[in-house]
Amino acid sequence: ILNVEQSPQSLHVQEGDSTNFTCSFPSSNFYALHWYRWETAKSPEALFVMTLNGDEKKKGRISATLNTKEGYSYLYIKGSQPEDSATYLCACPLPSGGSYIPTFGRGTSLIVHP
Amino acid sequence: KAGVTQTPRYLIKTRGQQVTLSCSPISGHRSVSWYQQTPGQGLQFLFEYFSETQRNKGNFPGRFSGRQFSNSRSEMNVSTLELGDSALYLCASSPGTDSYNEQFFGPGTRLTVL
Repeated sequence: ILNVEQSPQSLHVQEGDSTNFTCSFPSSNFYALHWYRWETAKSPEALFVMTLNGDEKKKGRISATLNTKEGYSYLYIKGSQPEDSATYLCACPLPSGGSYIPTFGRGTSLIVHP
Repeated sequence: KAGVTQTPRYLIKTRGQQVTLSCSPISGHRSVSWYQQTPGQGLQFLFEYFSETQRNKGNFPGRFSGRQFSNSRSEMNVSTLELGDSALYLCASSPGTDSYNEQFFGPGTRLTVL
């Protein structure tokens, strides 16, 4: 993997369902991974910064894990609520032209139906 | 604590013109980054300024430039506008000296080029 990729592109779930999505990134030269939540008409909001292999972070019903050896991170939402509807972005610094630049995935759009 | 502010929020320009966007970071934050968000490309990194110096730069043409003032406020300039420059421009501030700290995003400036 040469870029940051997210799957699925979109997800529709019912209120109360638990869900998860994936962020894949190059496993070499890993520095850090960021998860953001971006609600419509608002600014992206930082959820987690993850740096160590095996990291697990939790904020309320949302948690994330990190596997730097295989180059992926999972974001889990337990008991989804309509207010969880948003686009979830992940980002990593990746090498480009002699430096590292923040590189975002295209995001996973989550819609939670009441 | 006031969040990141961006002005103007909306802007309409014609091809060939130039535009300047402004960003005021959270008080105490010394790093300001700029991003372009388009439906086709997602969120892409433009550049980052720290203590009035450009610390990092993405893969954008020289028509895109920026600067940072001693109070950490930043401006971004796009010259000779093209239709493809129509996008949401986000700025983000960060407190730390590390380029990859958690970032706090502003609401964005929506630029339309006709």
